[in-house]
Amino acid sequence: NAGVTQTPKFRVLKTGQSMTLLCAQDMNHEYMYWYRQDPGMGLRLIHYSVGEGTTAKGEVPDGYNVSRLKKQNFLLGLESAAPSQTSVYFCASRMDRGHGKLFFGSGTQLSVL
Amino acid sequence: DQQVKQNSPSLSVQEGRISILNCDYTNSMFDYFLWYKKYPAEGPTFLISISSIKDKNEDGRFTVFLNKSAKHLSLHIVPSQPGDSAVYFCAASSSNAGGTSYGKLTFGQGTILTVHP
Repeated sequence: NAGVTQTPKFRVLKTGQSMTLLCAQDMNHEYMYWYRQDPGMGLRLIHYSVGEGTTAKGEVPDGYNVSRLKKQNFLLGLESAAPSQTSVYFCASRMDRGHGKLFFGSGTQLSVL
Repeated sequence: DQQVKQNSPSLSVQEGRISILNCDYTNSMFDYFLWYKKYPAEGPTFLISISSIKDKNEDGRFTVFLNKSAKHLSLHIVPSQPGDSAVYFCAASSSNAGGTSYGKLTFGQGTILTVHP
């Protein structure tokens, strides 16, 4: 059972380039989330989805777009990467909207030069 | 506006002793609290949680205490082991946030725990 899988694990971009981070979960979870982790800032919510075909903004959505075309996949896109988007990105999922725990992927280390 | 704060960036403890990690929150709507543990190059994993109707929850070596009046919670690890060395995140959520915000987690900055043999 793979759980939550993120690809790629590492990526280096030049300023202005675009890329997509893929998150896939095999637990049939409804809710999926994208967080970024920065030193001294903890985990901050970028965007989230409460089901296939839905997305919503989190705390720090600017510069990112997301899509949830299939229930098991949640994509995070950077249209024009900036150095401020250098971070570690984590995807997470949970079964429903209750207080159930989040299951996290292992993260994507992104550097924007 | 940091609604969940972990004011100690790091903590160093000797093996076998108690580790106490602290967390403060400002949003009185928070009614469910969780601790996650994170090892390098891995995602955070759930450790223990507590509802606001309780003031203590215990799971083996891990105990979480909640003081609602002070808006403060703490995680106690007894006895501490070298394998407990990791980053610990405190997180909070609100049942009253409504709609799709229900259950959304707000995280603290994290505390790096180092347990020395």
